Amino acid sequence: GNSVTQMEGPVTLSEEAFLTINCTYTATGYPSLFWYVQYPGEGLQLLLKATKADDKGSNKGFEATYRKETTSFHLEKGSVQVSDSAVYFCALSMKAGGTSYGKLTFGQGTILTVHP
Amino acid sequence: NAGVTQTPKFQVLKTGQSMTLQCAQDMNHNSMYWYRQDPGMGLRLIYYSASEGTTDKGEVPNGYNVSRLNKREFSLRLESAAPSQTSVYFCASRTNRDYNSPLHFGNGTRLTVT
Repeated sequence: GNSVTQMEGPVTLSEEAFLTINCTYTATGYPSLFWYVQYPGEGLQLLLKATKADDKGSNKGFEATYRKETTSFHLEKGSVQVSDSAVYFCALSMKAGGTSYGKLTFGQGTILTVHP
Repeated sequence: NAGVTQTPKFQVLKTGQSMTLQCAQDMNHNSMYWYRQDPGMGLRLIYYSASEGTTDKGEVPNGYNVSRLNKREFSLRLESAAPSQTSVYFCASRTNRDYNSPLHFGNGTRLTVT
């Protein structure tokens, strides 16, 4: 079946540090890939997405590139802020067909804490 | 600008009690989902409804039932709660079954079963 693996957390950084959160996936076929973010006490919200190989998703200074050869979708940000403290989830969604139609498969989440 | 609304926000149940978690969306979305979130396990799909009048099991459906009451509302019922069902429950919706469209989430229901 499909699966998503994220780097173990929690990740603790100082403000303005560089962020990488690793994400790799296993899927039969060519999924769409997503990063969702969950701020304290809230539901998840879409951060960025990429729908085909070599696509780069970007939003709010975050970026991730869909790498088919390494089945990866690592999240990066050049200079994090305290307000970026949240839980980050990598997810995939498969094309129509079979039992995986339109549903998202999530990684386990990575807690990020940014200190001033 | 409500989006996806879940009630209640918090609930404590004793083992064997029943309850229904409510979810409503005002975005005219066709598809709705129930997930549970547990530490270190990400989100796991309990049930989903691809369109009004249809429901299907997800990864972890045992112990739960759902009702797609109309296009707006999708409820999750625990008939006989167990401590293993202690979790945070999220309802989500999306505009259609297009695998590229994002999910919109509610703020969750934190359920404790003692």
